[in-house]
Amino acid sequence: ILNVEQSPQSLHVQEGDSTNFTCSFPSSNFYALHWYRWETAKSPEALFVMTLNGDEKKKGRISATLNTKEGYSYLYIKGSQPEDSATYLCALYSGSRLTFGEGTQLTVNP
Amino acid sequence: NAGVTQTPKFRVLKTGQSMTLLCAQDMNHEYMYWYRQDPGMGLRLIHYSVGEGTTAKGEVPDGYNVSRLKKQNFLLGLESAAPSQTSVYFCASSNPRGTDTEAFFGQGTRLTVV
Repeated sequence: ILNVEQSPQSLHVQEGDSTNFTCSFPSSNFYALHWYRWETAKSPEALFVMTLNGDEKKKGRISATLNTKEGYSYLYIKGSQPEDSATYLCALYSGSRLTFGEGTQLTVNP
Repeated sequence: NAGVTQTPKFRVLKTGQSMTLLCAQDMNHEYMYWYRQDPGMGLRLIHYSVGEGTTAKGEVPDGYNVSRLKKQNFLLGLESAAPSQTSVYFCASSNPRGTDTEAFFGQGTRLTVV
């Protein structure tokens, strides 16, 4: 079983704060690292697919980095807004299996 | 464009009953997955398929069976439901290669076993 770990488990921030989460994973058999955003009562939706060591991706106020040699990825949210409240999942894609971490639950207070 | 569709959305079963959850995708994806989501445990992989006619076990396969007779459909079966199988089940599909490997999810099936 591939061990994908995320921290923190939950996070409460004020509107306007910037924040970041961590995803760690075994670096062997790496194919890709995915980040998903999961809003309550909805289905997870992909934010980023990252494949190369040193990858940096950005979508609006959200960005992510990848270090495949040491087995971690960071997700950053700049200037958090209440609509950013969701669970953020990372998933390790090994070429066939897609294994998820337990997620970081973000709450942004207005 | 429907994407990934799960049937049914809700179901209540009695212990020992059987049922099949259907996942259908219209994106011509090769890979399909079944996950269960329980509080505090994230998404755990039950079974997956890398193509028509093939299936493989995930992290928590016991008590479930699957079939992929057609590329667009992935069925999850519970032969004899147990209360421990009360959960929300999500199906997902994806392409296997390149930079477009992200998974697309269905809306989930909430199953209660009493």
